[in-house]
Amino acid sequence: GESVGLHLPTLSVQEGDNSIINCAYSNSASDYFIWYKQESGKGPQFIIDIRSNMDKRQGQRVTVLLNKTVKHLSLQIAATQPGDSAVYFCAEFQGAQKLVFGQGTRLTINP
Amino acid sequence: KAGVTQTPRYLIKTRGQQVTLSCSPISGHRSVSWYQQTPGQGLQFLFEYFSETQRNKGNFPGRFSGRQFSNSRSEMNVSTLELGDSALYLCASSLSGRRYEQYFGPGTRLTVT
Repeated sequence: GESVGLHLPTLSVQEGDNSIINCAYSNSASDYFIWYKQESGKGPQFIIDIRSNMDKRQGQRVTVLLNKTVKHLSLQIAATQPGDSAVYFCAEFQGAQKLVFGQGTRLTINP
Repeated sequence: KAGVTQTPRYLIKTRGQQVTLSCSPISGHRSVSWYQQTPGQGLQFLFEYFSETQRNKGNFPGRFSGRQFSNSRSEMNVSTLELGDSALYLCASSLSGRRYEQYFGPGTRLTVT
């Protein structure tokens, strides 16, 4: 069946450290993989996407890695800041039709 | 450029009633998708509209329906509300050529009592 899951439901990091959020997916036919950030009371915010024919993509303070061999996706956030506290979702764009989301990881920043 | 807007932000209804939620996409975005978010099921795809036509549909009962207008604004309707329909309903818009890059509104929090 279709599923996009996350290894850890919660993650706590020290301010200034790097954060790594992981995600496992099951549909190897997906064209794109996307990371979203959702802050309390808000809708998900697009962070970065990676096409299935890539293995790495960098944005501002974020890097997404895609390992198709083990069907694993990760989001790395450099120098984590208090404003990075949120729930992070991975999603895959399946069949060029719809986004299928994982359950989310709550990232907490410790001062 | 203004983001996706949804109205109302909060809504309380009783079982058996129906509800209509509204979404205005980002200017220039013609694709609008709807999602339901609950603590138990997470984010689940409801349907997608493009050029006033439903392009895709998720696994939800027929009580959930939607439509899109010529200006790309969209509405979704839930009839015969059940307690389990309590959720955050999110609308997302995208460019037709980049449907994987969806931008979400703040959502409508629906509570069914």
